[in-house]
Amino acid sequence: NAGVTQTPKFQVLKTGQSMTLQCAQDMNHNSMYWYRQDPGMGLRLIYYSASEGTTDKGEVPNGYNVSRLNKREFSLRLESAAPSQTSVYFCASSEVNSFNYGYTFGSGTRLTVV
Amino acid sequence: DQQVKQNSPSLSVQEGRISILNCDYTNSMFDYFLWYKKYPAEGPTFLISISSIKDKNEDGRFTVFLNKSAKHLSLHIVPSQPGDSAVYFCAASLDYQAGTALIFGKGTTLSVSS
Repeated sequence: NAGVTQTPKFQVLKTGQSMTLQCAQDMNHNSMYWYRQDPGMGLRLIYYSASEGTTDKGEVPNGYNVSRLNKREFSLRLESAAPSQTSVYFCASSEVNSFNYGYTFGSGTRLTVV
Repeated sequence: DQQVKQNSPSLSVQEGRISILNCDYTNSMFDYFLWYKKYPAEGPTFLISISSIKDKNEDGRFTVFLNKSAKHLSLHIVPSQPGDSAVYFCAASLDYQAGTALIFGKGTTLSVSS
């Protein structure tokens, strides 16, 4: 019963490097999300996908791209990493018909850009 | 401008007493509110939710109260336990049925001492 799996758990990048954060869920949820958490800033939405085949920008999309590869997988790409993108990244999924409408979060990817 | 506000960064409570965490919001169109709990190095976990058509929802030791006229909600934990020590995030949804993304507050760190 894995829930939401994020890889990698830790990553150090040099400024200008690119990378893709992977996220997969096994709960057959329709919606998936990427958030970043910074000290004192809470959780801020980067991008989300309400259903397979759709993606939308959130509050802080600049510098990121996403791909909803299929119903299970939603990846986040940093094309040219910057120190301001140092953060903890959380992927989540949800099912809108769920009574409690609770997101299930992954355990996070801690990214440092030097 | 922040739509979901948790104005108390931290709260300390003794074991067995009541913990009250507060949250204010600015958008009267929010239709669903949720509380999440987060331990260090883990993803947030869903705790309890409330629809905008209700004013109270209870689940064991956790109760959420919603005051729409004041645009205020609160989470009550009774009795508080040391294992409740965590960061608590308040979140709100603009269109619950459509699966739109949640907007989170900055969080309140609860410390319960034994």
